[in-house]
Amino acid sequence: KAGVTQTPRYLIKTRGQQVTLSCSPISGHRSVSWYQQTPGQGLQFLFEYFSETQRNKGNFPGRFSGRQFSNSRSEMNVSTLELGDSALYLCASSGSPDSNEKLFFGSGTQLSVL
Amino acid sequence: AQKITQTQPGMFVQEKEAVTLDCTYDTSDPSYGLFWYKQPSSGEMIFLIYQGSYDQQNATEGRYSLNFQKARKSANLVISASQLGDSAMYFCAMRERGNNRLAFGKGNQVVVIP
Repeated sequence: KAGVTQTPRYLIKTRGQQVTLSCSPISGHRSVSWYQQTPGQGLQFLFEYFSETQRNKGNFPGRFSGRQFSNSRSEMNVSTLELGDSALYLCASSGSPDSNEKLFFGSGTQLSVL
Repeated sequence: AQKITQTQPGMFVQEKEAVTLDCTYDTSDPSYGLFWYKQPSSGEMIFLIYQGSYDQQNATEGRYSLNFQKARKSANLVISASQLGDSAMYFCAMRERGNNRLAFGKGNQVVVIP
C-alpha cells in the first residue's frame, strides 16, 4: 500500500509569487491535514479536510488556503509569498478524524522563498 | 498554552542500549490520542507509535514502547536496542477528540553512536 505522496519535493520561489503543493493520501483515507515546520516555530497546524470540507483551520493568514478533491487528494496554496513562508510543508492522512485513527505523514515539500 | 512538553536536550546513545524520551501533555479532554514520530534528516515524519487515552495497556510497536502514565499526563517513548538508523529528531504529539489537529512538542534530538 503506497504511503502519503507529496509533490513536489522541493520548490524555489521568489517573494510575491504563489505556489501550489499537492498531497495524495493513503488509499482509502479521507482525512488530510497540513502542517508547516520551521526551525523557529516548530510544527504548526495549517488546516484539515475531510470529505472535501475544511473542518479545522490553524492560525495562519488568508494567503494560505487549501482544498480537497472527491478522490481525497488535497492541495494547499500560498499566495503572495513572503520570506517567512520558507518551510517544510507536511501533509498527513488518516481514515477519518476520529480519536482512534493513526495519522501518517508524507515526506514533505521543502519550500524556499528568495 | 503549550500542550506538549519535551524538555530533554540532545542525547547521545550507545548502540544497542535503550533510550527513554520524555513527553508530558496538557488537556482537559478525556478523549485524546498521543503519537510519537521520528524525523530523520531527510525530513519525512515517520509514525512510530500511538496511544489512545482509553487504552488500558501501554502501546508497543516492535522496538518502540510507550510508557503511558495518565494521571501524571506523561507519555514517554522507550526505544530498546538502539540502532545507528535511530539517529533522528523525535516528536511527541497529541490529538484531542474528533479532529486531526495535532499539537507537537519541540522534539528531542537523538544521536546513536557505535
